[in-house]
Amino acid sequence: SQQGEEDPQALSIQEGENATMNCSYKTSINNLQWYRQNSGRGLVHLILIRSNEREKHSGRLRVTLDTSKKSSSLLITASRAADTASYFCATDDEASGYSTLTFGKGTMLLVSP
Amino acid sequence: EPEVTQTPSHQVTQMGQEVILRCVPISNHLYFYWYRQILGQKVEFLVSFYNNEISEKSEIFDDQFSVERPDGSNFTLKIRSTKLEDSAMYFCASRESLGHEKLFFGSGTQLSVL
Repeated sequence: SQQGEEDPQALSIQEGENATMNCSYKTSINNLQWYRQNSGRGLVHLILIRSNEREKHSGRLRVTLDTSKKSSSLLITASRAADTASYFCATDDEASGYSTLTFGKGTMLLVSP
Repeated sequence: EPEVTQTPSHQVTQMGQEVILRCVPISNHLYFYWYRQILGQKVEFLVSFYNNEISEKSEIFDDQFSVERPDGSNFTLKIRSTKLEDSAMYFCASRESLGHEKLFFGSGTQLSVL
């Protein structure tokens, strides 16, 4: 089945720096989404990019998608301590008729003041 | 903003016992999901539910698991005879329709099987 894999597994940066996280997947998708999870909490949707899009922006977030390489990146610019969280990419699954999201293992981001 | 609510937030049970995890999805949503996350691991899909029946399920969702929408608001996950390896955070999620791809997650139920 479809599987997204993020890298790096963990990322530690200083406030003000940019954070880049990558995601790879295996099969055909309709869209790719990024979610954020604060420790011990549920996942919160951040941004969605469709398979026919290459780049999307939302505030300090920038997402790219390369369907030929089956990869995506999430860039958080001018990071803040409050951005500390785990970030997951999720892809819809062709086998399920694109009705089910499959999540990767996540990147744990630590932003130090 | 509307929320998905889950109860209880923590559940401790003995191995072999039955547990029911409860969720109230967002009221106008049509698709419901259960995911689980073992500590430090990936978020794993268990089951999706639409129109009062299971639409997809993963290999994890074996005969020990069942889901139910007993009324117009609740969505439950039952584990009939819990195992140690069932210990995880269980997340309920809902989505408005297939045309709306964003999932809304609850805060989860931390299940500990002793």
